Amino acid sequence: DTEVTQTPKHLVMGMTNKKSLKCEQHMGHRAMYWYKQKAKKPPELMFVYSYEKLSINESVPSRFSPECPNSSLLNLHLHALQPEDSALYLCASSIRTDTGELFFGEGSRLTVL
Amino acid sequence: QKEVEQNSGPLSVPEGAIASLNCTYSDRGSQSFFWYRQYSGKSPELIMSIYSNGDKEDGRFTAQLNKASQYVSLLIRDSQPSDSATYLCAVKSSGGSNYKLTFGKGTLLTVNP
Repeated sequence: DTEVTQTPKHLVMGMTNKKSLKCEQHMGHRAMYWYKQKAKKPPELMFVYSYEKLSINESVPSRFSPECPNSSLLNLHLHALQPEDSALYLCASSIRTDTGELFFGEGSRLTVL
Repeated sequence: QKEVEQNSGPLSVPEGAIASLNCTYSDRGSQSFFWYRQYSGKSPELIMSIYSNGDKEDGRFTAQLNKASQYVSLLIRDSQPSDSATYLCAVKSSGGSNYKLTFGKGTLLTVNP
């Protein structure tokens, strides 16, 4: 299994909603990442988990809250988002954090109304 | 500020031609270099990694690295319309921020039948 699975693929939410994005991998990777990508821009790193511990938060607003329940799962909890948070949210995994060989999921396209 | 520069394109080549994509980076201590392909509306996919000076070939793809010039390139031989995508150059930082993969802005390649 060489896939990173993300759900949902599309999400529309209001600014007062609470929702979650989910990511799963069964490749035994110990590093997992959340990226945000706007149209015609490169992916922008948000969070890095290494061995299920949050190792990097790239100064992301607290309305985004990551969680890593186990080595295969990564969640991104969303609350009180702004319309400018609308983007493609990409989960990725790698064997460890010291490699740049990332496997990306298909992404969750988020629209905030 | 560690930077990765790419010509944003679009780069347009006829089917069967060689497409040449270029990338320069600012961090002289960078050790690992990657090319990701991203189709419109899809997530990035790793197509090449290169770690030492010289050429690395994989099928129709050749990555070239020149650390002295801080330059990495991707050649696509016998370009096909299915190669039409945005190609992201990514560089792995050295030292304390070894978790971070810095992406260039991407080059949009169009292969015309």
